[in-house]
Amino acid sequence: DAGVTQSPTHLIKTRGQQVTLRCSPKSGHDTVSWYQQALGQGPQFIFQYYEEEERQRGNFPDRFSGHQFPNYSSELNVNALLLGDSALYLCASSLDRDPYGYTFGSGTRLTVV
Amino acid sequence: KQEVTQIPAALSVPEGENLVLNCSFTDSAIYNLQWFRQDPGKGLTSLLLIQSSQREQTSGRLNASLDKSSGRSTLYIAASQPGDSATYLCAVTTWSGGGADGLTFGKGTHLIIQP
Repeated sequence: DAGVTQSPTHLIKTRGQQVTLRCSPKSGHDTVSWYQQALGQGPQFIFQYYEEEERQRGNFPDRFSGHQFPNYSSELNVNALLLGDSALYLCASSLDRDPYGYTFGSGTRLTVV
Repeated sequence: KQEVTQIPAALSVPEGENLVLNCSFTDSAIYNLQWFRQDPGKGLTSLLLIQSSQREQTSGRLNASLDKSSGRSTLYIAASQPGDSATYLCAVTTWSGGGADGLTFGKGTHLIIQP
């Protein structure tokens, strides 16, 4: 049973560019959440997608947007990249209304230069 | 706004010691609390999940307790081993609109077990 898969694993972008990160949830899961983890910090919640809609959003600017597809996979898009966007981006999947927690992927390391 | 604090930020102990990691949260209206392990540059591995109605959970050498009314949780690691070296993260979630909310994390405790 595959867990959460994220791609790419590493990425280097230039300030001002746009980036798309991808996530495939664990089999059977229908909800995808994205987190940003800066070096030495705990992950920060970006947003959560359920039934192809953004259900909840953390304190992130509109430069951060996402999408969920009918097969429950998801994309995170970041526009107009800033140096401060450099971080590990984590995807977590879960089953809605199931209280047994989240499964995380290994993350995408984004470096903005 | 929910805030999660973890103490200590870093801990270095000799192999074989029992140790306790602490987590506190400001809003006691949580749905569950989860402890994660993170190895350098890697994703998160769930260790233990405690529902708000539970007091503790155990898995092998790990035991996590929850006191929701006081906003505290502890992770107890027995007979520590060098392989336990990692960052341990505490996270809480609330329940709203018929679904679980996003996790709120602490900054973690960086644990080093000396051989």
